[in-house]
Amino acid sequence: QVQLQESGPGLVKPSETLFLTCTVSGDSLRSQYWSWSWIRQPPGKGLEWIGSGSHTGNTDYNPSLKSRVTISLDTSKNEFFLELTSVIAADTAVYYCARLTTLTSLSLVYFDSWGQGTLVTVSS
Amino acid sequence: SSELTQDPAVSVALGQTVRITCQGDSLRYYFASWYQQKPGQAPVIFMYGNNNRPSGIPDRFTGSRSGNTASLTITGAQAEDEADYFCNSRDISGNHLIFGGGTKLTVL
Repeated sequence: QVQLQESGPGLVKPSETLFLTCTVSGDSLRSQYWSWSWIRQPPGKGLEWIGSGSHTGNTDYNPSLKSRVTISLDTSKNEFFLELTSVIAADTAVYYCARLTTLTSLSLVYFDSWGQGTLVTVSS
Repeated sequence: SSELTQDPAVSVALGQTVRITCQGDSLRYYFASWYQQKPGQAPVIFMYGNNNRPSGIPDRFTGSRSGNTASLTITGAQAEDEADYFCNSRDISGNHLIFGGGTKLTVL
């Protein structure tokens, strides 16, 4: 069974870059069946998709964050990463990594496995 | 529209039936998935597509779609069903993913 675990700093200063790692076990990032995603949740609020990437190099980003976000994969380490530049207080959230299943024939996508989440606070 | 709209809060009496809805133009073209989230925990996939339950999800949960609305129905709600429920799908362009704002379910 796949497991995902986020890691990274819990505190980032405004205007700096947030960098998180998701370590995947029980599955390979090279799998053709899935892509790998980041989702965040500000305290007391709902979920926001940040973006997704696959081993082919394809990436998709939330338009509202696209100018500041990069998602990359290291298939040799079975890890994927989130880089968010020029952070502000509104970027304070629990950040989740997740595996995304896409069934194009059924016009369906779903996140079938999630990490436990990591709280990132943006503050000086 | 690139939005999915959910009622912020819904309540149900123990053992009764409740329907949680998710509305959006993109749902005419794409199926929704549903996630349950309890306080302090990560979301868990509860339903995807047209009434597909992952292993371990009780069969009192059913999913459906009609027009621009996806629904998650709980028949015989239990105390442990009290949680936040989020829907998710593609936006109308099909290029991006979106979540509904979430529904807080209270079991009375």
